[in-house]
Amino acid sequence: DVKVTQSSRYLVKRTGEKVFLECVQDMDHENMFWYRQDPGLGLRLIYFSYDVKMKEKGDIPEGYSVSREKKERFSLILESASTNQTSMYLCASSLVGGWNSPLHFGNGTRLTVT
Amino acid sequence: TQLLEQSPQFLSIQEGENLTVYCNSSSVFSSLQWYRQEPGEGPVLLVTVVTGGEVKKLKRLTFQFGDARKDSSLHITAAQPGDTGLYLCAGEGLGSGNTGKLIFGQGTTLQVKP
Repeated sequence: DVKVTQSSRYLVKRTGEKVFLECVQDMDHENMFWYRQDPGLGLRLIYFSYDVKMKEKGDIPEGYSVSREKKERFSLILESASTNQTSMYLCASSLVGGWNSPLHFGNGTRLTVT
Repeated sequence: TQLLEQSPQFLSIQEGENLTVYCNSSSVFSSLQWYRQEPGEGPVLLVTVVTGGEVKKLKRLTFQFGDARKDSSLHITAAQPGDTGLYLCAGEGLGSGNTGKLIFGQGTTLQVKP
């Protein structure tokens, strides 16, 4: 079974802090994704990566950056946290693209910025 | 920009009732996936539909992909409390290549009362 592990279930940070969210997958998947989930808005893609050191912006990349130095690890960085970044953050991975390669999600990190 | 509109957003029903969740777009998708998310966990894939008009069944759940591949539905027969959760549809755009990038609907929160 694929396992996607997010390092923290809950985080509370202050406005202006630099925040790191870590995600590790154990199935040698090529693609990794960061989504944020807000009520009534579904999942919105922040960034994704299809290879080590490769990254592409998703639909809402402003205020975020990512790092993928190793294939199994994909980090989301909030350069200067703001209250509007309070949300549930979900990491996901997939073997490759296409319909026969579904997303496998972690259990999420609920971030509160005060 | 491709969008997926999911309806209804909330559904509260009694055990044994039937229900249908809709996922609609003005755009064509290569494939469409349905996920279920339970509290405190990440979404888990239920099914992928690929061919226009395709119907797939998973026990009491029936999934259909529209003939034009612009819409999909999820029908649950004789709902049970264990069906409670957030249901998400996600489409793979025609131009997504091998990125695995999906577009998600807003989600439908289903509560089945015993």
